[in-house]
Amino acid sequence: EVVMTQSPATLSLSPGERATLSCRASENVSGFLSWYQQKPGQAPRLLIYGASTRATGIPARFSGSGSGTDFTLTINGLQPEDFAVYYCQQDYNLPPAFGQGTRLEIK
Amino acid sequence: EVQLVESGGGLVQPGGSLTLSCAGSGFTFINYWMHWVRQGPGKRPLWVSRINSDGSSTSYADSVKGRFTISRDNAKNTLYLQMNSLRVEDTAVYYCARAVRGHDAFEIWGQGTLVTVSS
Repeated sequence: EVVMTQSPATLSLSPGERATLSCRASENVSGFLSWYQQKPGQAPRLLIYGASTRATGIPARFSGSGSGTDFTLTINGLQPEDFAVYYCQQDYNLPPAFGQGTRLEIK
Repeated sequence: EVQLVESGGGLVQPGGSLTLSCAGSGFTFINYWMHWVRQGPGKRPLWVSRINSDGSSTSYADSVKGRFTISRDNAKNTLYLQMNSLRVEDTAVYYCARAVRGHDAFEIWGQGTLVTVSS
C-alpha cells in the first residue's frame, strides 16, 4: 500500500500570506494526487485532483503541483476561511490513501 | 443541486450488523462510480469501498473485506453499505462520495452518518 506523508503537521500564518503544504508518497503515484480541505464538523472538500486540476468552484488562489512522489499545495493570499485541515490523497493504486493532514492555523 | 444524503448510522454492539444508505440527487447517478469513506474522531479519512457504475465491480479495504458489502440500486439512485461482524475499531463517521470520472478522487461528499460500535 502507498503511504502518504504530509509536512508540516501544523502551519501558522497570517491572512494575506502564502501557504505551501507538502505531500510525499512512498512510491510513484504519477499525477494521481488530490488535495482536500476539511473544517470541523464538515466533510472534506475536494480542492485539487490530478495533481493540478482545480475542482469545480475552487478559487484560483489554490494551486497544486508535482508528480511521482512529491507534491505541493499552494494557497496564495490566505483568506480567513482558508484556515482548516488539509489532506492529500493518492488514487493511483488501490487502496486510495490519505495523508495524516496539515493544520493551517492563524498566527 | 448535486447532493448525497446518508442514513442508517447508530449504536450497535460488537458483532452486530448495520446497513447504511446514501441517496443521490441532482445528477445522473448511474454515470458515476461511488465510494464509502470513513473517518474516526481526530483521524484522517480512510477509504472503505468502491463500486462501479453498473454495480458489476467492487473493491474493499483489507480491514473490511469479508465483513462489509457495497451495492447500489440505480433505479432508486441509492448506494448501500451492509456492515456485518462490526468491531469497536469500525466506529467512525461514514461518508458516501461520488468519484471524479476517471479518478478515485472524491468530488461530492454526503454529510456523513455516525456509526458507534460499543457494548
